[in-house]
Amino acid sequence: AQKITQTQPGMFVQEKEAVTLDCTYDTSDPSYGLFWYKQPSSGEMIFLIYQGSYDQQNATEGRYSLNFQKARKSANLVISASQLGDSAMYFCAMREGSDGNKLVFGAGTILRVKS
Amino acid sequence: GAGVSQSPSNKVTEKGKDVELRCDPISGHTALYWYRQSLGQGLEFLIYFQGNSAPDKSGLPSDRFSAERTGGSVSTLTIQRTQQEDSAVYLCASSLEGGIMSYEQYFGPGTRLTVT
Repeated sequence: AQKITQTQPGMFVQEKEAVTLDCTYDTSDPSYGLFWYKQPSSGEMIFLIYQGSYDQQNATEGRYSLNFQKARKSANLVISASQLGDSAMYFCAMREGSDGNKLVFGAGTILRVKS
Repeated sequence: GAGVSQSPSNKVTEKGKDVELRCDPISGHTALYWYRQSLGQGLEFLIYFQGNSAPDKSGLPSDRFSAERTGGSVSTLTIQRTQQEDSAVYLCASSLEGGIMSYEQYFGPGTRLTVT
């Protein structure tokens, strides 16, 4: 079974609008961490935001916030005030406490910001 | 400071040849990871090093793949008798420690391997 599911292969958003990228995960481990990475066309992987399973509040980093719904096992990334430079592939990833060293990645969502 | 570096950036090789890919992690990072990204796909874990030891090799796809790390720093991923399905971008990442959940992994630019 897929551990990380990103159901949106591609998304468009108008510049300055907000966009939500979906991520659902599957684990029975009570201790886990969720990460979002951005991969522009240049290929580098850029860390955006982290949410721990025991964190009480949703993580925020500048224009990025994570809508963490533990009971639903979802960890959607919200990008506010989209910019042209946000156009990239976005990956959701998980680390599990019992197997806590590697990241397991979803298939990614391509985001295109329109001017 | 300097990020994770990888070499070569591109490698074209003939089927059946051996290749070596190199990763130089961020100074002071004790944990090092290798991932593989096939065209248009997410990343697939290959191997994890803590210091010079590799407690998790579960992602290596076959015994043609091996990796080592020396001096707690540079790592080399070796693919023997390359096959066309080995064509992918091989990404290396490092983090301060392997055991801390929240420590993000910093990725290198990758090596694009093409097997002809």
